[in-house]
Amino acid sequence: QVQLQESGPGLVKPSETLSLTCAVSGHSVSSAYYWAWIRQPPGKGLQWVGSIYQGGTTYYNPSLKSRLTISVDTSKNTFSLKVTSVTAADTAVYYCATIAASGTHFDYWGQGTLVTVSS
Amino acid sequence: QSALTQPASVSGSPGQSITISCTGTDSDVGVFNYVSWYQHHPGKAPQLVLYDVTKRPSGVSNRFSGSKWGNTASLTISGLQAEDEADFYCSSYAGSGTYVFGTGTKVTVL
Repeated sequence: QVQLQESGPGLVKPSETLSLTCAVSGHSVSSAYYWAWIRQPPGKGLQWVGSIYQGGTTYYNPSLKSRLTISVDTSKNTFSLKVTSVTAADTAVYYCATIAASGTHFDYWGQGTLVTVSS
Repeated sequence: QSALTQPASVSGSPGQSITISCTGTDSDVGVFNYVSWYQHHPGKAPQLVLYDVTKRPSGVSNRFSGSKWGNTASLTISGLQAEDEADFYCSSYAGSGTYVFGTGTKVTVL
């Protein structure tokens, strides 16, 4: 069974870059699986942020696309999220998740990590 | 890419059945049979309870069932139990590798 654990700074200053890593256990990030980031602002619902597929193809939420980078590090069995030029609106609990092989749903999730954007 | 619309809250007594709706558009729910549902207890990881509209992952109670008609999908929880109290989110594949989530529904067991 796949297990996921997010890590990264809990506080980021406005206009700086938010960087998070998801450590994967129980599966290789380089094998046939898809990886995603999802976030939940305080008091709000879930929002798909972006995904990376085997081979490195990425898909991003159109509303965030210009500020996002998702990548995979096979040597560390992790995948990462970078969000540039953050504002208070990027404050959220960030979850990493797996996308099922069918590509239709998110089957495993991390516990989530809260990132606050504030000076 | 707008969020799918769900009722903010639904409640029921133990043993009753409740239904949560999830309304999208012709670009997501209406065109793909790829609606999934997630149960989220605050502070914990969301858990998949249904996928591809009607399919249950291994280990999920058969009290959870799903359906879809046009642009609206639904999740029904039968035999409501105290442990079902949580936030529920629908999600739909929206094409070109993108996904959209619902606004979320708080389920309260009276």
